[in-house]
Amino acid sequence: DGGITQSPKYLFRKEGQNVTLSCEQNLNHDAMYWYRQDPGQGLRLIYYSQIVNDFQKGDIAEGYSVSREKKESFPLTVTSAQKNPTAFYLCASTEKGGRNTGELFFGEGSRLTVL
Amino acid sequence: DAKTTQPNSMESNEEEPVHLPCNHSTISGTDYIHWYRQLPSQGPEYVIHGLTSNVNNRMASLAIAEDRKSSTLILHRATLRDAAVYYCILRDKGGTSYGKLTFGQGTILTVHP
Repeated sequence: DGGITQSPKYLFRKEGQNVTLSCEQNLNHDAMYWYRQDPGQGLRLIYYSQIVNDFQKGDIAEGYSVSREKKESFPLTVTSAQKNPTAFYLCASTEKGGRNTGELFFGEGSRLTVL
Repeated sequence: DAKTTQPNSMESNEEEPVHLPCNHSTISGTDYIHWYRQLPSQGPEYVIHGLTSNVNNRMASLAIAEDRKSSTLILHRATLRDAAVYYCILRDKGGTSYGKLTFGQGTILTVHP
């Protein structure tokens, strides 16, 4: 079945370590997004990509990096520069289209805990 | 970016209709209104979207004000499985930009048996 796969589902990290969260989609979608969610809060946009080899910063990009070398993959690296990395991370994708009305498809999320 | 305003929480009884409001007074002519919902520890799922006319699907109905400055998501008969956080967001349909999709805090819907 088509969808978005995020891994790992749970991740523990020591302070000062970088960690990379995987996001893969087989929906042939052009646009992909990374969101962060803190307990009891809404989603905040970290980075998004509209096309391969291109991406833009969202509202809270500091301390994060991304790459988009393949259409189906949009990994997120949480660097040691991110001061409060413990959060629930969500990846999403949507198809490109002139009307741009397509729904966002979300993965099941990755929960990162910094020890 | 055009923003939306939703109540923090709402409550309903099972099998009763629920009307979830959303204000978007700065909406532009090219913005679609989308609704998503999120169950605990899961990613959000699409519910419905519309531009100007009211919309219906198997999950819900979307009523859009004539001036498009507000909309209402209608769950016709709430079930316990409808208890979730509901997000109203705006998507710019224009041109080559998908736009930054901004989710607010949403409305926490509690459904009582």
